[in-house]
Amino acid sequence: DGGITQSPKYLFRKEGQNVTLSCEQNLNHDAMYWYRQDPGQGLRLIYYSQIVNDFQKGDIAEGYSVSREKKESFPLTVTSAQKNPTAFYLCATQQGSVADTQYFGPGTRLTVL
Amino acid sequence: RKEVEQDPGPFNVPEGATVAFNCTYSNSASQSFFWYRQDCRKEPKLLMSVYSSGNEDGRFTAQLNRASQYISLLIRDSKLSDSATYLCVVRSSGNTGKLIFGQGTTLQVKP
Repeated sequence: DGGITQSPKYLFRKEGQNVTLSCEQNLNHDAMYWYRQDPGQGLRLIYYSQIVNDFQKGDIAEGYSVSREKKESFPLTVTSAQKNPTAFYLCATQQGSVADTQYFGPGTRLTVL
Repeated sequence: RKEVEQDPGPFNVPEGATVAFNCTYSNSASQSFFWYRQDCRKEPKLLMSVYSSGNEDGRFTAQLNRASQYISLLIRDSKLSDSATYLCVVRSSGNTGKLIFGQGTTLQVKP
């Protein structure tokens, strides 16, 4: 949604390479999330961060890593240990309260060649 | 059993039709509920939150039945532009804000 940018929009990677997906927000939201979406499946949570310098594993964290050095940024690295990385990756933010909704960036479509 | 289940469809309806989507969730302690809309190859966007009392936004009506752990979305007078995938989303209990997504129901409105 407005205020959340993800880059690049499309990314191609060779097997064995690490790649970092960018997520930046100017909404001043506290929490940020990374999801992956595969065809015909719901979104699955990879990692999330509720505050700067802190993050937690989601349901499918293996083969991924994140950092949260700034409130505005939450990059996701897809490592060579991720066995099936081809997917649509979505970053989301949430203002702060557990009752608040989440807003999504436009996504990055990663393809492993 | 999936935590959030939806009929994937597709639902093919003519313009002007009324269509209803259903969703069930397994965790009775779930805190809040949403419908998101996702267009092809785009990000999900919030359509509406769902409250126990039911809520309406124009042609869209959402209902929640906590006793049956059931959520519905009704679209009246369907438009071509309503064609999309509709995601049922449930916030888990606890303070993580974690959302659980259904796989989505695809709607195709035809002229």
